[in-house]
Formats: sequence, C-alpha cells, structure tokens
Amino acid sequence: KNEVEQSPQNLTAQEGEFITINCSYSVGISALHWLQQHPGGGIVSLFMLSSGKKKHGRLIATINIQEKHSSLHITASHPRDSAVYICAVLSGGSNYKLTFGKGTLLTVNP
Amino acid sequence: DAGVIQSPRHEVTEMGQEVTLRCKPISGHDYLFWYRQTMMRGLELLIYFNNNVPIDDSGMPEDRFSAKMPNASFSTLKIQPSEPRDSAVYFCASSWAGSTDTQYFGPGTRLTVL
Repeated sequence: KNEVEQSPQNLTAQEGEFITINCSYSVGISALHWLQQHPGGGIVSLFMLSSGKKKHGRLIATINIQEKHSSLHITASHPRDSAVYICAVLSGGSNYKLTFGKGTLLTVNP
Repeated sequence: DAGVIQSPRHEVTEMGQEVTLRCKPISGHDYLFWYRQTMMRGLELLIYFNNNVPIDDSGMPEDRFSAKMPNASFSTLKIQPSEPRDSAVYFCASSWAGSTDTQYFGPGTRLTVL
C-alpha cells in the first residue's frame, strides 16, 4: 500500500509570498496528481505529472521519481489561492486506484 | 459542457433509511469514479467504472453500499440501510483515461445520517 504524506498540514502566508507544499510517497508510482479543494468544497485537478516539471500560470509542480517526492509551488500568492491542496498518487501496479494525502490547508492573508 | 453533475447536493436522513446519490459524468468520458471524503480518512476511492462496467469496487466499505451505471450518462451510489458513520461528502468524478488523465469532479453530495 502506498503511503502519501503531505507537509505542512497547515500553512499561513502573506499575499505575495512564495509557497511550497510537499508530498512524499512510499512506493513507485506511475503518476501523481495535485488537486485543489476550494473552501466551498469543490475539487479541481491542477496537475497530473509522471516526471519533471509542469507550470500553469503562477503554479509549478515538480516531481523527483528517485526521491519519491513532489512539490507544488505558488508564486506571488494571493488570497484567492486559499484552499486545501491534495496530493494523490497512482501506484505502478494499480488499476487506476488513486491514494490521497490528507491535504495541506493554505491560508493567504491580504 | 456543464461539467459533472451530482444530486442531491445535500441529504439529511435518518439511520436505517435508503439513500441514493446520483451522478451525470461529462459526455464522452469513459471512466467514472465515486469517492468519499471524511475528516478522519480524507478522500477514498469507493468504486470506478470503465465504459459503464464496474472495474474495481474494493473500496466499497460493505454490502450496504452498491453502485450502478446503467448507461454512459448516469450512475448511482446507494446506501441501504444508512448508518451515522456513512456521513461524509461523496464525490463523483469522470475522465477520458482513468487516473492517468485529469479527473473532473462534481460538486459533491454532503450526506448526514442522523
């Protein structure tokens, strides 16, 4: 079973700060997802990656397969970035079953 | 496209009652997932379908839970009889290519069993 650990659990930042959220997993994977859950409860998929780096606007996701680690970065953070960020992994031998981290609650103050 | 549609958005019921949650995936998506989210356990996959066929239901907690997908545009998750520990938010998601592709989530159904 793949264990997915996220850190920190809670993060408070000031508007404009650079944010990093980390995700570590215990066994080999074929893909990793980053999800955003808004305060109202809706879930949006931000990235799906299996190697390297992806960028979308102010969001950057990286993954190091050898170290079993991924990071989500937010540049020039804004209060609207306040949400729970969830990491999910697809294990190499899995038939499409994602294992989720517990999430990181990000609060960006103006 | 309207996105993934779930109904009802909120459901409050009493222990022992039957509960049916509904989901309409995005048109053209071949995969449909049912997830449950609780404070204690986070998000968990309950079951997923490929082309209307249930592929993996190992996450379904017990026989009280059942799911069907009679056609490509509709799925149900039923709990009978419901128990207070079933209280959670239930999400439906769909995608073109399973978990190796972006999943699109519905708004969720918040279930409270009294």
